[in-house]
Amino acid sequence: AQSVTQLDSQVPVFEEAPVELRCNYSSSVSVYLFWYVQYPNQGLQLLLKYLSGSTLVKGINGFEAEFNKSQTSFHLRKPSVHISDTAEYFCAVSPRSGGYNKLIFGAGTRLAVHP
Amino acid sequence: SAVISQKPSRDICQRGTSLTIQCQVDSQVTMMFWYRQQPGQSLTLIATANQGSEATYESGFVIDKFPISRPNLTFSTLTVSNMSPEDSSIYLCSVGDRGFNEAFFGQGTRLTVV
Repeated sequence: AQSVTQLDSQVPVFEEAPVELRCNYSSSVSVYLFWYVQYPNQGLQLLLKYLSGSTLVKGINGFEAEFNKSQTSFHLRKPSVHISDTAEYFCAVSPRSGGYNKLIFGAGTRLAVHP
Repeated sequence: SAVISQKPSRDICQRGTSLTIQCQVDSQVTMMFWYRQQPGQSLTLIATANQGSEATYESGFVIDKFPISRPNLTFSTLTVSNMSPEDSSIYLCSVGDRGFNEAFFGQGTRLTVV
């Protein structure tokens, strides 16, 4: 079984400041890792994913995440946020074997960017 | 990739009634998934829908409450039965096959039960 813990339910930050959204996971099998963003009243959009290879993954809108196997973490970062980044961010995992992208989500982190 | 159309996009329903949500994909997929997102909460997997077999339900979800159909490789429905206000949520359809490196989501159905 898998579980995902997003350590911060809310993260307030000022515009142009850096931000890190933390994600830890637990799994008895190897997993793929994802970050999704949900803007107000909209569906889910994939930000980035880690499948294999380099542990630093770059995604859309200037976001990146680093996979740390020893710490079972997949933290999301952006060096300078914009007002438009205000949204809910979800970390998710999917079993590598036979998962067919069946996702287990964390509770979400609400990023609030202030001017 | 896959493009998913979900209908209806939103609905307001009376308690005790049922609502069927449709999910149409623009390509054939093996697995389709149904998630629930309760207000202010994360997404929880309800069930996995395979074509030609019974859906597989996650703990806490039962077929009598959430019957699912999967008549072909591009279509699925989720019915929310005998609704109560606690069923007010966003319901999302998702697909993700072996050839995909990610899951794709529909825009969701925002259900309010009054």
